[in-house]
Amino acid sequence: GAVVSQHPSRVICKSGTSVKIECRSLDFQATTMFWYRQFPKQSLMLMATSNEGSKATYEQGVEKDKFLINHASLTLSTLTVTSAHPEDSSFYICSARTSGMNNEQFFGPGTRLTVL
Amino acid sequence: AQSVTQLGSHVSVSEGALVLLRCNYSSSVPPYLFWYVQYPNQGLQLLLKYTTGATLVKGINGFEAEFKKSETSFHLTKPSAHMSDAAEYFCAVSYNFGNEKLTFGTGTRLTIIP
Repeated sequence: GAVVSQHPSRVICKSGTSVKIECRSLDFQATTMFWYRQFPKQSLMLMATSNEGSKATYEQGVEKDKFLINHASLTLSTLTVTSAHPEDSSFYICSARTSGMNNEQFFGPGTRLTVL
Repeated sequence: AQSVTQLGSHVSVSEGALVLLRCNYSSSVPPYLFWYVQYPNQGLQLLLKYTTGATLVKGINGFEAEFKKSETSFHLTKPSAHMSDAAEYFCAVSYNFGNEKLTFGTGTRLTIIP
């Protein structure tokens, strides 16, 4: 149980285009989802927290107009990188939790974004 | 504010030797503490966690960690390293009382020497 999937696993796009990454909780309802960004050989940095049906809360320094987050249902959250540039290339990881899971987050396998 | 410090970005041990990965935390309230493992190009897998109760926590793959409040530490150990243990390990902390934000350490890359 507690499986989180991400799609796509890898995406390459041209500079200036937008890319959407999906995060799904497959066997539980995720009241909260988190989006992280991981640079090569570095730790995970929390980008934003999203609760189903409400606006995402972004961490300091994260541009909310560039990284659009939608958590429209209890099993799906999406991250859209708008007008992507090479500096947006990174590994994006989502996680999900639900109430009663004792603060445990279940992580997706990650999405490797490369912007040319 | 909470923070995590992992001493040693790279640790190498021989196969069969003791694995010790160090983690110290800073938290103004009782913490939840976690160890995650990450294999190349994959997400994170939970190894073990401390919430409340017993301070020695056993996890998957033979790993365990001990919460020492007086030392603000949560070091990860395994008595005998296997080649399959080679990966990146992250220590993380979150607040108790429902704050679910995880703050991660910078990670320790574990290499196993045959």
